[in-house]
Amino acid sequence: DQQVKQNSPSLSVQEGRISILNCDYTNSMFDYFLWYKKYPAEGPTFLISISSIKDKNEDGRFTVFLNKSAKHLSLHIVPSQPGDSAVYFCAASARNSGYALNFGKGTSLLVTP
Amino acid sequence: DTGVSQDPRHKITKRGQNVTFRCDPISEHNRLYWYRQTLGQGPEFLTYFQNEAQLEKSRLLSDRFSAERPKGSFSTLEIQRTEQGDSAMYLCASSSGLAGGPTDTQYFGPGTRLTVL
Repeated sequence: DQQVKQNSPSLSVQEGRISILNCDYTNSMFDYFLWYKKYPAEGPTFLISISSIKDKNEDGRFTVFLNKSAKHLSLHIVPSQPGDSAVYFCAASARNSGYALNFGKGTSLLVTP
Repeated sequence: DTGVSQDPRHKITKRGQNVTFRCDPISEHNRLYWYRQTLGQGPEFLTYFQNEAQLEKSRLLSDRFSAERPKGSFSTLEIQRTEQGDSAMYLCASSSGLAGGPTDTQYFGPGTRLTVL
């Protein structure tokens, strides 16, 4: 059962515009959420995270929003750059499972010049 | 800080053979995780260690899989009698474990790609 869902397999955005990547989850025990970025032939690279006690976390061009009532989070990238082109994974974890990460299937972002 | 390293990066084996992968975590990281990623999927949790103790195992970790972290530093993942369905990217991650909670960011290695013929 997929507890973390990324329903958009791909997204194309023009350079300079905003990229919005979405993620939904089903397990109400999740209390920590992360976004990872992955290039081909490399392991996932941590990007940004948010605790369930917050609804927003910002780090430079990257902002993550959490809507607990809707069990939904999103990653905003502003402005998007060609180097942001990669696969983005949403992940969630819970204290009662040792913070093992549950990943979505990923969204492939393409930023075009 | 050299990051998480994994060896080998690629492994091709014949069905029925045993394979072993190694993961070296970031120095002094107490927690070490193993994940498996198949094509078109996100990484799936297999098991994790707090120092040398294996604290949790996923139902994905069948009897043919065994993981160890004998001295609380590097870890090995062995697959016995490999099957074609074992073909995947095996990822290792480590975290400091100091916060003991959500702020323990997991840092991933480059992975070992296994192909079972």
